[in-house]
Amino acid sequence: GDSVTQMEGPVTLSEEAFLTINCTYTATGYPSLFWYVQYPGEGLQLLLKATKADDKGSNKGFEATYRKETTSFHLEKGSVQVSDSAVYFCALSDPNFGNEKLTFGTGTRLTIIP
Amino acid sequence: NAGVTQTPKFRILKIGQSMTLQCTQDMNHNYMYWYRQDPGMGLKLIYYSVGAGITDKGEVPNGYNVSRSTTEDFPLRLELAAPSQTSVYFCASSYLPRTYNSPLHFGNGTRLTVT
Repeated sequence: GDSVTQMEGPVTLSEEAFLTINCTYTATGYPSLFWYVQYPGEGLQLLLKATKADDKGSNKGFEATYRKETTSFHLEKGSVQVSDSAVYFCALSDPNFGNEKLTFGTGTRLTIIP
Repeated sequence: NAGVTQTPKFRILKIGQSMTLQCTQDMNHNYMYWYRQDPGMGLKLIYYSVGAGITDKGEVPNGYNVSRSTTEDFPLRLELAAPSQTSVYFCASSYLPRTYNSPLHFGNGTRLTVT
């Protein structure tokens, strides 16, 4: 079945550091890929998405490129801020599934130190 | 605009008790979902609904029931609480079905402990 594997956390970085959170996936079809973010005390919200190979999703300075050859969708940001501290979830949506399921990774907790 | 509202935020139940987790959305979304998030695990889909009067099972439906009498409300019922149901529960909604890659709008979650 479908699965998403995320980089183990927690991740702690200094402000203005470069961020990479790795995400790889297994799917039978041609999934769409997502990054969701959960700020403290809040529900998840969509950060960015990509729906086909080589698409790049971007939002709030974050980017991720859909790499079919490496089945990856790594999240990157050039210069992180304290306000980026949150839990980040990679997820996929496989059109071959017969129901409304999104498959989520386990989440990566990111803490940015001033 | 409130979005997706879940109540309560926290609850402690004894084994065998029952309770209903409430979820309401004011965005007129047809699609609604219940997920659970266990420590160190991704979110798992419990039940979902594609419109009023229509519900279907997700990955982990055992021990839960849902109903969808209105577009706005999608309550989740635990009939006989068990320690394995200790988790954080998220309700979500979307405007279009998953196949259109419509983003999910999540509530802030309910943290449930069963002892």
